[in-house]
Amino acid sequence: EVQLVETGGGLIQPGGSLRLSCAASGFTVSSNYMSWVRQAPGKGLEWVSVIYSGGSTYYADSVKGRFTISRDNSKNTLYLQMNSLRAEDTAVYYCARGKRYSSSWYLDYWGQGTLVTVSS
Amino acid sequence: QSVLTQPPSVSGAPGQRVTISCTGSSSNIGAGYDVHWYQQLPGTAPKLLIYGNSNRPSGVPDRFSGSKSGTSASLAITGLQAEDEADYYCQSYDSSLSASYVFGTGTKVTVL
Repeated sequence: EVQLVETGGGLIQPGGSLRLSCAASGFTVSSNYMSWVRQAPGKGLEWVSVIYSGGSTYYADSVKGRFTISRDNSKNTLYLQMNSLRAEDTAVYYCARGKRYSSSWYLDYWGQGTLVTVSS
Repeated sequence: QSVLTQPPSVSGAPGQRVTISCTGSSSNIGAGYDVHWYQQLPGTAPKLLIYGNSNRPSGVPDRFSGSKSGTSASLAITGLQAEDEADYYCQSYDSSLSASYVFGTGTKVTVL
């Protein structure tokens, strides 16, 4: 059974750093497209970052240069290192597995999410 | 702000049919990129509802159907049920953005 469990969220001051983890089971993270998606309180979904099976990474403009996506193959875990955090980064962060369909990707499994609150 | 526009809300009585539109442009849906749909029940993570414009994953009732035409896509729910009350999001790819994978603005479905 595919499962994704995010941890690492919490309250952090503006300018601080936080690392989110997403432990996967039932499949191999390194063989799949993995993504982070966030949702600010009361708002819609926003794609944040992706890492492809080959290791290529991409970021939304809103987080580029501040966030880094990575994975640990030995732990079958996905990470999101978040630096220089801002109030507008406050959101529930979901990790999700992607599947290719034709020329695009969809997210077939999602974790339960972890809340990041950036506030002084 | 998202490049995929959805109506903020739609509503219907139990048993009725409702549709949710997802309007894009020539750099996303109109360019031929596929559309996928997610359902988010209150307080839970999103769940895949439709992939590749019109395909249902295993376990999704056939009351849910999707279609795509031109620069838009639609999600239809027939035989609306109370448990369908949720937020719905479309998703596609946009070739003009660095945040290439884009979500729609989201639609709240209310069962009257």
